[in-house]
Formats: sequence, structure tokens, C-alpha cells
Amino acid sequence: KAGVTQTPRYLIKTRGQQVTLSCSPISGHRSVSWYQQTPGQGLQFLFEYFSETQRNKGNFPGRFSGRQFSNSRSEMNVSTLELGDSALYLCASSLGDNTGELFFGEGSRLTVL
Amino acid sequence: EDQVTQSPEALRLQEGESSSLNCSYTVSGLRGLFWYRQDPGKGPEFLFTLYSAGEEKEKERLKATLTKKESFLHITAPKPEDSATYLCATTSGTYKYIFGTGTRLKVLA
Repeated sequence: KAGVTQTPRYLIKTRGQQVTLSCSPISGHRSVSWYQQTPGQGLQFLFEYFSETQRNKGNFPGRFSGRQFSNSRSEMNVSTLELGDSALYLCASSLGDNTGELFFGEGSRLTVL
Repeated sequence: EDQVTQSPEALRLQEGESSSLNCSYTVSGLRGLFWYRQDPGKGPEFLFTLYSAGEEKEKERLKATLTKKESFLHITAPKPEDSATYLCATTSGTYKYIFGTGTRLKVLA
């Protein structure tokens, strides 16, 4: 059974640019959530999607957005990049029943110069 | 506000030296307590789910327990390959999982 796939794995951008990250969940999982991981803050919740609907959103500025497609694949976008956006962005898939475990991808490492 | 606190931040053990990691939580309406292992440069890997106080789960040298306010991850006779960051997380049923900042475990041969 294939796991969660995130692309790209690594990317370098400059301030002011935008970036789009992609996540393909485990087959049969309809929920995709996104987390930002930094050394000081740990994993911070960005948003969660289930069947193309955003069900919850974390405390991040509007520059961070996401969407989910009918095949459950998800993308997140960060516009007008800032240095502080440098982080590991993790995607997790689950059945979406609100109590089950999350299965994470290996992450997209974003560096903003 | 829902909160998860892990201690210690870092732990160094000799191979075979058993210890416990702590996860204290404040969640209104706990729907699940999860433990994950994360290796450098990788995403977290699921270990255990605990749903109610008194519940215990075991996997190889790891055993997770849950009370009404905290969870412990007991590591018995650890080996160097157990070195990793261990994360705990909770959910209160809002499709949002709250993570602690983790315990970095180093097991020395």
C-alpha cells in the first residue's frame, strides 16, 4: 500500500515569491491535513480538508491557502514568501473520522532566502 | 485552550537503560492521544493510539499508557536504533491535532 507522497521534497525560494506544494494521500483516505514544522514551534496545524471541503483552519495568515481535489489530492500555496516561512511542511492523510491516526508524508523542505 | 506539553526536551540513555517520556495534555473532550516517532529529515511515523484512561499499548520495547491528564511512553532496554524524536498529539474532535514539541531521545551504544 503506497504511503503519503509529497512533492517537491526540497525547494528554495526568495522573499516575495510564491510556492505550491502537493500531497497525494493514501488510497481510500479522504482527509488531508497540513502542518508546518519548525525547530522552535514544533508541528503547527495549518488546515484540514475532507472531500474538497475545508473543515478547520489554524492560526496562520491568509497568505497560506490550500485546496483539495475530487481524487483527494491536495495542494497548499504560500504567497508573498517571508524568511519565517522556511520550514518543513508536512501533509498527513487519514480516514477523517476525527479520532483516527494521521499518516504523514516525508515533507517538503522550504527554504526562503 | 487545548495544550500538549512534553518532557524532558532531550534525553540521553545508555543502551539497556530504561526510562519514560511524559506527555501532559489539557484538552476539552479528548478523542484520542497519539504517539509518533520522527527520524531526522522524515515525517512522523505513527506508533500508538490511546482513547481512554487506563489503556495501555505495547510495541517491541515501547509501551504507552494513559491517565486523565498525561500519557507516558516507557522505553525498556533501549537500543541505539530507538534514537529519534518522540511526539505526542491529541485531538478533541475538531479535525485538528495538537502536537507537543517532542522529546529528542539519544541512545548510546
